[in-house]
Amino acid sequence: GAVVSQHPSRVICKSGTSVKIECRSLDFQATTMFWYRQFPKKSLMLMATSNEGSKATYEQGVEKDKFLINHASLTLSTLTVTSTHPEDSSFYICSARDGGWDNSPLHFGNGTRLTVT
Amino acid sequence: GQNIDQPTEMTATEGAIVQINCTYQTSGFNGLFWYQQHAGEAPTFLSYNVLDGLEEKGRFSSFLSRSKGYSYLLLKELQMKDSASYLCAVTDSNYQLIWGAGTKLIIKP
Repeated sequence: GAVVSQHPSRVICKSGTSVKIECRSLDFQATTMFWYRQFPKKSLMLMATSNEGSKATYEQGVEKDKFLINHASLTLSTLTVTSTHPEDSSFYICSARDGGWDNSPLHFGNGTRLTVT
Repeated sequence: GQNIDQPTEMTATEGAIVQINCTYQTSGFNGLFWYQQHAGEAPTFLSYNVLDGLEEKGRFSSFLSRSKGYSYLLLKELQMKDSASYLCAVTDSNYQLIWGAGTKLIIKP
């Protein structure tokens, strides 16, 4: 089955620093990857759609200069949280579809628990 | 606006059957997904419904009624490992996924 690998699983950083999260599709190519954020006991919130070879599409209210997304290859997308603040502490999850159609199921990475102190 | 409703929490007994409901109001409909999410982990795909009726997959079944904007996930022969949150998600006319907040299922011995 389709596997999405996300790294790191946990990170603790100090306010003001930057954190990079990697998302890889291990056994399929993903021209599009999706970055989600989830607060405790809350629904998944789509932050942005990462497009290979072009700019990411950000959802309303998500600062593109703070959450930098790069999708340099068909198997790798990265999310960099810049100038971190304690409010950025959250669970970040990436996902991708292994099917070529818009409604194929999403496969998720294991998520990254970010804690900003 | 677009909205998905599901109960916040449910409790069931090991070996029993539980039904988790989901109602939706979205701009168009292109399918409904159920995902399982264990605490601290990412969601995993359970089922997909696009036509009315029941889809069965082992101990889990999912039902859809498009006219009623309604779905349910049925879990049979509950096991302790089924304790998790169950997320309902609908694809709208633009193929955007709209997520419910999830139902936390607690299984008691």
